[in-house]
Amino acid sequence: GDSVTQMEGPVTLSEEAFLTINCTYTATGYPSLFWYVQYPGEGLQLLLKATKADDKGSNKGFEATYRKETTSFHLEKGSVQVSDSAVYFCALGAYNFNKFYFGSGTKLNVKP
Amino acid sequence: DTAVSQTPKYLVTQMGNDKSIKCEQNLGHDTMYWYKQDSKKFLKIMFSYNNKELIINETVPNRFSPKSPDKAHLNLHINSLELGDSAVYFCASTPLEGYGYTFGSGTRLTVV
Repeated sequence: GDSVTQMEGPVTLSEEAFLTINCTYTATGYPSLFWYVQYPGEGLQLLLKATKADDKGSNKGFEATYRKETTSFHLEKGSVQVSDSAVYFCALGAYNFNKFYFGSGTKLNVKP
Repeated sequence: DTAVSQTPKYLVTQMGNDKSIKCEQNLGHDTMYWYKQDSKKFLKIMFSYNNKELIINETVPNRFSPKSPDKAHLNLHINSLELGDSAVYFCASTPLEGYGYTFGSGTRLTVV
């Protein structure tokens, strides 16, 4: 069945460091891919999305490219800030979107 | 504001009690969901309703009963609460076409 696997955390970085959070997926058909962010004590917010192969989603300095050949959707940011500390979820939207598959979440801690 | 709102935000109750969590969305979305987020941040879908009709019912104990009086509301009633029910419960909605969830801010349920 469809699934999402993302790297386990926590990931601890210093401010201005480069961030990569790996995400790979298994799916039949042509899913859409998403990154959600959950700040402490809050709900999930859509960070970015990509709906087809080779699309690049971007928002707030974060980027992720839909790579069909490697079934990946890695999240990157060139220079993280303390305010980026949160839990990041990779997600896959299957054919009819009645089901979303979330990864297990990766906690990011950014230290000043 | 357009949003998914759920109440209460925090709920502390004793084992064996019955409690409800309410969810409302004013986005005009057709599909609403309940997700459970455990202590390890893993998100698991519980139920999905499309236009008041149940379309997804994952392996959830019968003590959990969703109710959708109209397509803008999806409430979750839990009978005979157990310690293991302690978690954060998220309501969410999507338009029929999908392309990502809008989440509520979560209800932190603590069973003591």
